[in-house]
Amino acid sequence: AQSVSQHNHHVILSEAASLELGCNYSYGGTVNLFWYVQYPGQHLQLLLKYFSGDPLVKGIKGFEAEFIKSKFSFNLRKPSVQWSDTAEYFCAVNPFSGTYKYIFGTGTRLKVLA
Amino acid sequence: SAVISQKPSRDICQRGTSLTIQCQVDSQVTMMFWYRQQPGQSLTLIATANQGSEATYESGFVIDKFPISRPNLTFSTLTVSNMSPEDSSIYLCSVEGWTVNTEAFFGQGTRLTVV
Repeated sequence: AQSVSQHNHHVILSEAASLELGCNYSYGGTVNLFWYVQYPGQHLQLLLKYFSGDPLVKGIKGFEAEFIKSKFSFNLRKPSVQWSDTAEYFCAVNPFSGTYKYIFGTGTRLKVLA
Repeated sequence: SAVISQKPSRDICQRGTSLTIQCQVDSQVTMMFWYRQQPGQSLTLIATANQGSEATYESGFVIDKFPISRPNLTFSTLTVSNMSPEDSSIYLCSVEGWTVNTEAFFGQGTRLTVV
């Protein structure tokens, strides 16, 4: 079945530590890729997106992600996390060209200790 | 970006009753979507609601349980019918991006608890 996998369900880091959250998908064709963040009590916000071009994508708040087509992966990274990065992070894939139907990963809850 | 308002933001309902969730967008959009986020799980697409046609439901979701209306290009409702505790979730409305290669926008969600 088509799916999006996020391998880390809960991550706890200290401030200034580096972050990498994994995301793999199982679609074989052209896909659009996204990372969303949901801060406690708030709605989903877009961190970054990939449609085409440079596979290394930079987003807001110092986040970046790398699309590796051969590995069907779109991992999220941040060199130095802050307490304010505590949130839930969702990887999403749009495998349906011309639509905005997204398939979401299960999410990763990140807690950053001050 | 589009501004999406959902009402109610949260509700506690008795089993067997129905709740209608409203989604209002500040601009006209063709495509609107409804997602469900069950506790501890990811977002799952329920259906696509396009104005002027019946909603298209994803596998596992049916119209009798989740009737959807789309009377115009800025508004949609999702009804959760004959609720059970398993329907306790966050329900989110989403709309298309502005142009090609833009992302969808999401409402703040409706947190539903069924007791």
